[in-house]
Amino acid sequence: EVQLVQSPTEVKKPGQFLRISCKGSGYTFTDYWIAWVRQMPGKGLEWVGIIYPDDSDTRYSPSFEGQVTISADNSITTAYLQWNSLKASDSAIYYCARAPTALLNPNHFDFWGQGTLISVSS
Amino acid sequence: DIVMTQSPDSLAVSLGERATINCKSSQSIIYTLNKKNYLAWYQQKPGQPPKLLFYWASTRESGVPDRFSGSGSGTDFTLTISSLQAEDVAIYYCQQYYNSPLTFGGGTKVEI
Repeated sequence: EVQLVQSPTEVKKPGQFLRISCKGSGYTFTDYWIAWVRQMPGKGLEWVGIIYPDDSDTRYSPSFEGQVTISADNSITTAYLQWNSLKASDSAIYYCARAPTALLNPNHFDFWGQGTLISVSS
Repeated sequence: DIVMTQSPDSLAVSLGERATINCKSSQSIIYTLNKKNYLAWYQQKPGQPPKLLFYWASTRESGVPDRFSGSGSGTDFTLTISSLQAEDVAIYYCQQYYNSPLTFGGGTKVEI
């Protein structure tokens, strides 16, 4: 059974460092992209970026480029989303999602994690 | 960036009636070499992550009831629920994966 299990809720202060995780199981981790998607309270879905663990090909939305870092550790089948200095506006639910690959590019998101709620407040 | 525009923002449909959601892309998302439309539809219920309904615009994901259908090509796409059930109350999103950045529509809220 394919599963993406995300790290739990985080409550942080502005300026702090944070890394959240997404552990894949039930499939070959390096055969699929892992994407990160933001959902602010009461709002829609925004694509943050994506990584292909096999070769670490990483792509970011221009809206998030330079603000976050996406990485993966294939030895523990886990992808990460990291902030070096959080802002209050980063408060949201962040989902990871798996995407099949075709022609070296990601496709639709066929499995989703349960989401990690991040709250940033002074 | 490819902009995905959904309409309407919300709709109320009686049980058993048809619901139609539209999604328009700012440029064609059909890849000429394989003739596939790089469009997916997702359903999100309150407190849950999104769930994949359709990919390649009209390929139904396993387990999705056949009252749901996806259609369209090029820049104009439609998600139809032929006979709305109570469990279909949700927000529906379209998404293009033709190129980066991958982009979502704003969502359509379906209510009874």
